[in-house]
Amino acid sequence: QVQLVESGGGVVQPGGSLRLSCVASGFTFSTYGMHWVRQAPGKGLEWVAFTRNDGINNWYADSVNGRFAISRDNSKNTLFLQMISLRDEDTAMYYCVKGHYPGFDYWGQGTLVTVSS
Amino acid sequence: DVVMTQSPLSLPVPLGQPASISCKSSQSLAHSDGNTYLNWFQQRPGQSPRRLIYKVSNRDSGVPDRFSGSGSGTDFTLKISRVEAEDVGVYYCMQGSHWPPYTFGQGTKLEIK
Repeated sequence: QVQLVESGGGVVQPGGSLRLSCVASGFTFSTYGMHWVRQAPGKGLEWVAFTRNDGINNWYADSVNGRFAISRDNSKNTLFLQMISLRDEDTAMYYCVKGHYPGFDYWGQGTLVTVSS
Repeated sequence: DVVMTQSPLSLPVPLGQPASISCKSSQSLAHSDGNTYLNWFQQRPGQSPRRLIYKVSNRDSGVPDRFSGSGSGTDFTLKISRVEAEDVGVYYCMQGSHWPPYTFGQGTKLEIK
């Protein structure tokens, strides 16, 4: 069955950096686009970034563009999110999500990022 | 950006009664490929979101048939024919026709009355 397992979250100071990972299994990772979606505590869902199956083209929410970078290693079935210049408002649960058109059919359990001094 | 507006934001429903959630988009979600990429998600307390409905009205595998989706253009609806205790949670609509960005509704919290 499809599994998405995120890791790499933690507490980081404002201005700091963090790299999230998501290991996928149960499907042919290299044939699917992948997303990161986040959810601030007690708030709704916000799409963060998307990468196509080959990792060549990436798209970002305006709120993270220029600070976050999505990437993937298809040989290791792993999705990444490199985050720099972190702000208080980046505090959220970050979910790795499979698929595109229509997509969003499988979600990981999430990894919590807390930006605090 | 396409704005998704859900109503109501809070929905108390007695067990066994029907429930309906509206989702309106700021522009038509009809895609040039002939599809309409409107999804519905359920997020139970303490859990990750789960897709229930894709492309307006297609139920995902394992989703009870008491859940149904309908609509077109800018107006969409998620209906639960008879609410059960396990349906408690927050429901989100999301559009994938005009991206980036993909956009979600604010969420509708369903509780048992």
